[in-house]
Amino acid sequence: GQNIDQPTEMTATEGAIVQINCTYQTSGFNGLFWYQQHAGEAPTFLSYNVLDGLEEKGRFSSFLSRSKGYSYLLLKELQMKDSASYLCAVANQAGTALIFGKGTTLSVSS
Amino acid sequence: DSGVTQTPKHLITATGQRVTLRCSPRSGDLSVYWYQQSLDQGLQFLIQYYNGEERAKGNILERFSAQQFPDLHSELNLSSLELGDSALYFCASSVRASGGDTQYFGPGTRLTVL
Repeated sequence: GQNIDQPTEMTATEGAIVQINCTYQTSGFNGLFWYQQHAGEAPTFLSYNVLDGLEEKGRFSSFLSRSKGYSYLLLKELQMKDSASYLCAVANQAGTALIFGKGTTLSVSS
Repeated sequence: DSGVTQTPKHLITATGQRVTLRCSPRSGDLSVYWYQQSLDQGLQFLIQYYNGEERAKGNILERFSAQQFPDLHSELNLSSLELGDSALYFCASSVRASGGDTQYFGPGTRLTVL
């Protein structure tokens, strides 16, 4: 079956670093995406990994290990506006829909 | 703003009714995806169209149907509505239908069935 696991909730303080983990078991693999979603709004694209390793984009980085079925999203220098849900999603076949995890709700406090 | 538009933003209707949700993809995008998001289920894939043709089906109920028109906009039709159909419905689009294509999401339609 298809399964994507992420922690349900995480909390952190402004200026800190937080790592959101995602493990997946899917019938195929054509890349892993991270999206940010504020309550009631559309998911917005953060990152894409298809090869093992770390992709860095400003304050956000994403890591992938295909052999372990594991990814993480690293958020640095946290700001209040980073309070949102972070969705891990896998493309199990090229060019088709994404399989989403249930999301990790991150709360950033001052 | 992702460039994907969806109408209406909110829809309130009664059980047993039928509604149509509309989506216009980003300019140049050929692939359209429909997702349903409810509180307990997360984002669930419903159906995908590519350049007017159905490409893939997910957990879409038989009461639901969709199509993509020659101008590439898409409509999702929901009929015989039940209370459990209340959810956020998102449309997403991508340039093609190949691995690594980023999907860009519209603002969603919030459907409330009373």
